[in-house]
Amino acid sequence: IAGITQAPTSQILAAGRRMTLRCTQDMRHNAMYWYRQDLGLGLRLIHYSNTAGTTGKGEVPDGYSVSRANTDDFPLTLASAVPSQTSVYFCASSPGLAEGNTQYFGPGTRLTVL
Amino acid sequence: GENVEQHPSTLSVQEGDSAVIKCTYSDSASNYFPWYKQELGKRPQLIIDIRSNVGEKKDQRIAVTLNKTAKHFSLHITETQPEDSAVYFCAASGIGGFKTIFGAGTRLFVKA
Repeated sequence: IAGITQAPTSQILAAGRRMTLRCTQDMRHNAMYWYRQDLGLGLRLIHYSNTAGTTGKGEVPDGYSVSRANTDDFPLTLASAVPSQTSVYFCASSPGLAEGNTQYFGPGTRLTVL
Repeated sequence: GENVEQHPSTLSVQEGDSAVIKCTYSDSASNYFPWYKQELGKRPQLIIDIRSNVGEKKDQRIAVTLNKTAKHFSLHITETQPEDSAVYFCAASGIGGFKTIFGAGTRLFVKA
């Protein structure tokens, strides 16, 4: 059982390029999330999905899009990367409401936009 | 919007001493309060959580207290060890919403 995985581990990207960060979980969790982590700012929610087929905006959604075609996958796309999107990106998942909102995090993707 | 404030941002203690990290939240509908530990270069991992129907929860050297009236909760680590050195995040969320709001984190240094 892998839990929750992310790819790539790290990436250096030229400004203006399109990039998709991948996230896959095998825990059959309903909810999935994308956060960015910047020094001194903690974890900020970008987008989330309550269940397959639905998504919602978090605290910092601008410049990012997501899709949730199935339960397992929740890719994050940067349509045209900018240097301010340099950050560490964490994907997370959680069970449904009955189990509370304990979130399980992926290993992270370190993205540098030049 | 909802907000979680966390203090202090940095905490340095001697091995064996206690460490206390405090958080306040703004959304009175919040009813679930997890704490995550993040070691350098690693992912955040849940260490303890508390729900609004209890005021305190303990797990070995770690305890969390909750005051719903004042809207604040705290993490207590006793008999600290060097391996407790990490960044700790508090968070708050509520039923009916999947969104969890995180504090900015506390970097804990335990000096041997």
